[in-house]
Amino acid sequence: DAKTTQPPSMDCAEGRAANLPCNHSTISGNEYVYWYRQIHSQGPQYIIHGLKNNETNEMASLIITEDRKSSTLILPHATLRDTAVYYCIVSALGGTSYGKLTFGQGTILTVHP
Amino acid sequence: EPEVTQTPSHQVTQMGQEVILRCVPISNHLYFYWYRQILGQKVEFLVSFYNNEISEKSEIFDDQFSVERPDGSNFTLKIRSTKLEDSAMYFCASSASLLETQYFGPGTRLLVL
Repeated sequence: DAKTTQPPSMDCAEGRAANLPCNHSTISGNEYVYWYRQIHSQGPQYIIHGLKNNETNEMASLIITEDRKSSTLILPHATLRDTAVYYCIVSALGGTSYGKLTFGQGTILTVHP
Repeated sequence: EPEVTQTPSHQVTQMGQEVILRCVPISNHLYFYWYRQILGQKVEFLVSFYNNEISEKSEIFDDQFSVERPDGSNFTLKIRSTKLEDSAMYFCASSASLLETQYFGPGTRLLVL
């Protein structure tokens, strides 16, 4: 699986959009970009994923650059409950990885009042 | 909304004892996983399981570890002879297929004394 690079921490004001970047310059054609988050020591929570098109769901939007070497997770209106560690994971599900997700250190997002 | 459940939420054991961590995956899911997270460290993949067989395992998953699906609903992780360094949060996850999203349980906090 391709390696990802994320900033170690970010701050965001409550009610504003939080834009979390991820670099995955070695991504290959069959690898998806997944975003999970972890609040305290709870289980990782799935947020969104995409292959090459931008995606949106009720939680967030995922913007993937045309060359697929980087992506941005957007939380449109951050709340205090969005304070968490956010993980960007690249995975070739269905290939030889048998579903293995490789977590990095992630970005600690702190939403402040 | 269906969710992965895990029991117990906390487990304290003496070094050398056997522990069994239990998981109930989402009911129509066919792929099951265990991950662990040592305090302050990354979430690490342990093993994936499909069709009553291990699909992939990490180097952490040595002979002291085993997994089983004893019935149609439970998925267990057994550690035969616990060590101090096995103290961690253990997360179970499941997915409908290799191409589908993995959903994580809340975790079991294991403390080995």
